[in-house]
Amino acid sequence: GAVVSQHPSWVICKSGTSVKIECRSLDFQATTMFWYRQFPKQSLMLMATSNEGSKATYEQGVEKDKFLINHASLTLSTLTVTSAHPEDSSFYICSATIPGSVTGELFFGEGSRLTVL
Amino acid sequence: DQQVKQNSPSLSVQEGRISILNCDYTNSMFDYFLWYKKYPAEGPTFLISISSIKDKNEDGRFTVFLNKSAKHLSLHIVPSQPGDSAVYFCAAMRFNAGGTSYGKLTFGQGTILTVHP
Repeated sequence: GAVVSQHPSWVICKSGTSVKIECRSLDFQATTMFWYRQFPKQSLMLMATSNEGSKATYEQGVEKDKFLINHASLTLSTLTVTSAHPEDSSFYICSATIPGSVTGELFFGEGSRLTVL
Repeated sequence: DQQVKQNSPSLSVQEGRISILNCDYTNSMFDYFLWYKKYPAEGPTFLISISSIKDKNEDGRFTVFLNKSAKHLSLHIVPSQPGDSAVYFCAAMRFNAGGTSYGKLTFGQGTILTVHP
């Protein structure tokens, strides 16, 4: 099946630093990728839709200047958490769908756990 | 506004018995429903899906039932195995006017399933 890979899996940083998380589609080209965030014991919350070659579409309540998304190629989207603070600590997951898929079934990356000290 | 709800945070089942995971939704415009399985610190993996025009879909040990009038769906796992222990998320999506979806999912909070040997 389709594979989506995230890097890094774990990251610990000091408050105020910026952290970049990469999401790659390994065996297909993804014109659209999605970034989710999961707090403990809560559901996956869609943060933004990443569109190749254009600006990301952010969900209501998500700060676009805080969570920078770049989808520079058909196989790579990056999420940068700028000036991270402890409340940004969370599990971030990306996903992508096969272009032309009617069902829109998503393939998820392994997730990246961010801990901000 | 939680459009997709899984009201049972956890479920414990004996190996070999049936596991029934429930999910309710409020948006009657959803076109497609999916179930994902997630292990700790990993991304969700797709299990099974159902179109809003169907009331049942079966794949091996997994069966999903949809009751549109009640806005309720359920996932049945028979027989349950210890390896099924994980968090199960139901998710819903809407198709755009062209009848396709870009994979934008709304997730429930998840249900922790524990299958005891």
